[in-house]
Amino acid sequence: DTEVTQTPKHLVMGMTNKKSLKCEQHMGHRAMYWYKQKAKKPPELMFVYSYEKLSINESVPSRFSPECPNSSLLNLHLHALQPEDSALYLCASSQDSHSYEQYFGPGTRLTVT
Amino acid sequence: DQQVKQNSPSLSVQEGRISILNCDYTNSMFDYFLWYKKYPAEGPTFLISISSIKDKNEDGRFTVFLNKSAKHLSLHIVPSQPGDSAVYFCAANEGAQKLVFGQGTRLTINP
Repeated sequence: DTEVTQTPKHLVMGMTNKKSLKCEQHMGHRAMYWYKQKAKKPPELMFVYSYEKLSINESVPSRFSPECPNSSLLNLHLHALQPEDSALYLCASSQDSHSYEQYFGPGTRLTVT
Repeated sequence: DQQVKQNSPSLSVQEGRISILNCDYTNSMFDYFLWYKKYPAEGPTFLISISSIKDKNEDGRFTVFLNKSAKHLSLHIVPSQPGDSAVYFCAANEGAQKLVFGQGTRLTINP
């Protein structure tokens, strides 16, 4: 099983809403990642979790709050987002923090109105 | 400053011929390079990689070449098939955890 799953596939939220994105992998990977991808741009790293601990935060605004409840799950909590936060949010995992190959989920298409 | 560059936004190739996608980088500290393929509405799929200690890696129809002195890598697909039509991203590792992606090249394989 080399699959990373993400839910929901699409999300529309208002600027005052609170919502969460979910990511799951069952490959036994110990590193998980959140990326943001705007249209016609490459994915940009947001957060890295290694062994369930936050290891990298790429100066992401606090309205994005990551959480890693266990080694298989990764959440991204959203609150008071702006329209410019509309993007494709991608989750990825790798065997551990020393592994180069990352495996991506299909993404959540987020629209902030 | 963009550290990984794919200067061709698009490429069109006839089915059966060779597709060559190019990528340049500026950071000499990059030690591992990867190619990802992305279909619309899907996440990037890992395709092939190469360590900076090698100059070539081959996997079936896909071969990646690395020229460290020129800070250039390329992906060769031969023969090209219609299912290869996708956006291809070159990526480099800045430390094992952090991938830096190029802008992507949209490859179209024409029958």
